[in-house]
Amino acid sequence: ETGVTQSPTHLIKTRGQQVTLRCSSQSGHNTVSWYQQALGQGPQFIFQYYREEENGRGNFPPRFSGLQFPNYSSELNVNALELDDSALYLCASSSLGDGTDTQYFGPGTRLTVL
Amino acid sequence: GQNIDQPTEMTATEGAIVQINCTYQTSGFNGLFWYQQHAGEAPTFLSYNVLDGLEEKGRFSSFLSRSKGYSYLLLKELQMKDSASYLCAVRDLHASGGSYIPTFGRGTSLIVHP
Repeated sequence: ETGVTQSPTHLIKTRGQQVTLRCSSQSGHNTVSWYQQALGQGPQFIFQYYREEENGRGNFPPRFSGLQFPNYSSELNVNALELDDSALYLCASSSLGDGTDTQYFGPGTRLTVL
Repeated sequence: GQNIDQPTEMTATEGAIVQINCTYQTSGFNGLFWYQQHAGEAPTFLSYNVLDGLEEKGRFSSFLSRSKGYSYLLLKELQMKDSASYLCAVRDLHASGGSYIPTFGRGTSLIVHP
């Protein structure tokens, strides 16, 4: 069974640029959620995708957008980067409807905005 | 919204027992998760409680009281490798618009010393 993978591991961008982060879900999972985790904080929910549709969104501006593909992999896009976007971005996959919907996390992408 | 409260930091001795508490306020409780997160790594799933009582899994146990809005994670026979952040996450169907998305607390940093 393949776990959740994310790319890239680390990324450095400058303010105003755009970034795309990628996630491959664990085999057998149909749902992908994205989280932003600032240093010393818990993960903050950005949005969730199920069957290629957005299935819930947290309190993040529209410049945070995403996609889910037919193979359940997903992308997180952030436009007009700001310094406060520097964080660990976590992708979690789950199987909606399995009773617990336990989320399993990937290793994360560390984004630094200069 | 939800209020999830955990102690910021705890210290304990190798071989001892430690209890990490989590209190929460929800209107549509639908499960509580505990995750372990080592520095710079992704959260890993530890336990899930949806009914009152104690769930035991090796050295780790998790307890839930829905009427009190209270959970704890109990770690026995502490090892140095248990030094990590422990995240409490609560799923509230009302707060998340009916979707199965957990809200995370800030985490409790546990330091195990010899």
